[in-house]
Amino acid sequence: GEDVEQSLFLSVREGDSSVINCTYTDSSSTYLYWYKQEPGAGLQLLTYIFSNMDMKQDQRLTVLLNKKDKHLSLRIADTQTGDSAIYFCAEIRGTASKLTFGTGTRLQVTL
Amino acid sequence: DSGVTQTPKHLITATGQRVTLRCSPRSGDLSVYWYQQSLDQGLQFLIQYYNGEERAKGNILERFSAQQFPDLHSELNLSSLELGDSALYFCASSLGGQPLDEQFFGPGTRLTVL
Repeated sequence: GEDVEQSLFLSVREGDSSVINCTYTDSSSTYLYWYKQEPGAGLQLLTYIFSNMDMKQDQRLTVLLNKKDKHLSLRIADTQTGDSAIYFCAEIRGTASKLTFGTGTRLQVTL
Repeated sequence: DSGVTQTPKHLITATGQRVTLRCSPRSGDLSVYWYQQSLDQGLQFLIQYYNGEERAKGNILERFSAQQFPDLHSELNLSSLELGDSALYFCASSLGGQPLDEQFFGPGTRLTVL
């Protein structure tokens, strides 16, 4: 994940919005993803966005992509304790299928 | 439950040893991917197979090898183990091998090398 960076930790209060940020360096990224990893579990795909899109909304999740700045963000509205997990952004470059993951952001939701 | 199974769940072994991790993809999925998650390296792609053939290779060490069998299950073999090989190894599967095919991840095998 050396080319995809995320802040390590985010703490929010239940009911607030969370914004998790990701920066990437490769302009050939074609698809960008957000995965969630709960303790003891594998990775779960939350949402994805094509590189030719600016925004995608999926229920409580909003993904924003700033291709010029190579910046991706995930906003979780009305954050719940069940959202506590590690969130990874990931990219696919060109026509390859391998995912390049970010460093992961641990989201802690407090009451 | 993603439908991808991995065995064993935990594995503890000594340096210099060899281990085999097993992955059964979701029913109908032809492609299998292996990823390694460690504190040092983060989450990184190792290798991909599609219908028995190697499709893409990532940061996989020469001491590691993998294969996909005719029944589509896959094995990751790790040999001459070192302390730094301690990690969580994930397998994922997808229907095809294309970038847009969603990858479904198994729960992982936690390898501890002592």
